[in-house]
Amino acid sequence: AQTVTQSQPEMSVQEAETVTLSCTYDTSESDYYLFWYKQPPSRQMILVIRQEAYKQQNATENRFSVNFQKAAKSFSLKISDSQLGDAAMYFCANSGGSNYKLTFGKGTLLTVNP
Amino acid sequence: ETGVTQSPTHLIKTRGQQVTLRCSSQSGHNTVSWYQQALGQGPQFIFQYYREEENGRGNFPPRFSGLQFPNYSSELNVNALELDDSALYLCASSLAVQGHRYTFGSGTRLTVV
Repeated sequence: AQTVTQSQPEMSVQEAETVTLSCTYDTSESDYYLFWYKQPPSRQMILVIRQEAYKQQNATENRFSVNFQKAAKSFSLKISDSQLGDAAMYFCANSGGSNYKLTFGKGTLLTVNP
Repeated sequence: ETGVTQSPTHLIKTRGQQVTLRCSSQSGHNTVSWYQQALGQGPQFIFQYYREEENGRGNFPPRFSGLQFPNYSSELNVNALELDDSALYLCASSLAVQGHRYTFGSGTRLTVV
């Protein structure tokens, strides 16, 4: 069974500042993947960053980076130099096993203040 | 390459009716998954199709059914609609051998009245 918990329903950040979104997970799979997705009002889920659990190195994509703590089952997202376009709902998700099912958290609504 | 296309974008149905939602997968992708996203919640996995067969199902009743066609496009059918079926339905496609790389469509907003 897979569970994903996002404990911050809402977060806000000033433009150009840094913000960290939290996520914890649980899984019975030995081979799994972790994701952060962004969902703007357009509704489409946009992949922000993807982490393969067997890789110890934290994934980074430009201004987005993760802190992956495998033993603690923690997977937080850091957004540096926040921009107005970063405002959206952010979902943490986990998948593993052969059926590629994604399990999502409840999301964190990020507001970016000018 | 084309992305994932879903139709229609919005739909209003009456309780008890049946609905069919459609998804065209991204070019080169052979797997399609469907998710239900209730307002203010994260998406919930409904089922996945690979090579025209159901390959995994979430905790949804049998009135939720699907199809995948030889061109890898897919349909989600919901019979005997209930008010709680009102949600955003998302389709995601992937290429099985690429391991957990998904592309999502913009969804169909279903309202049941």
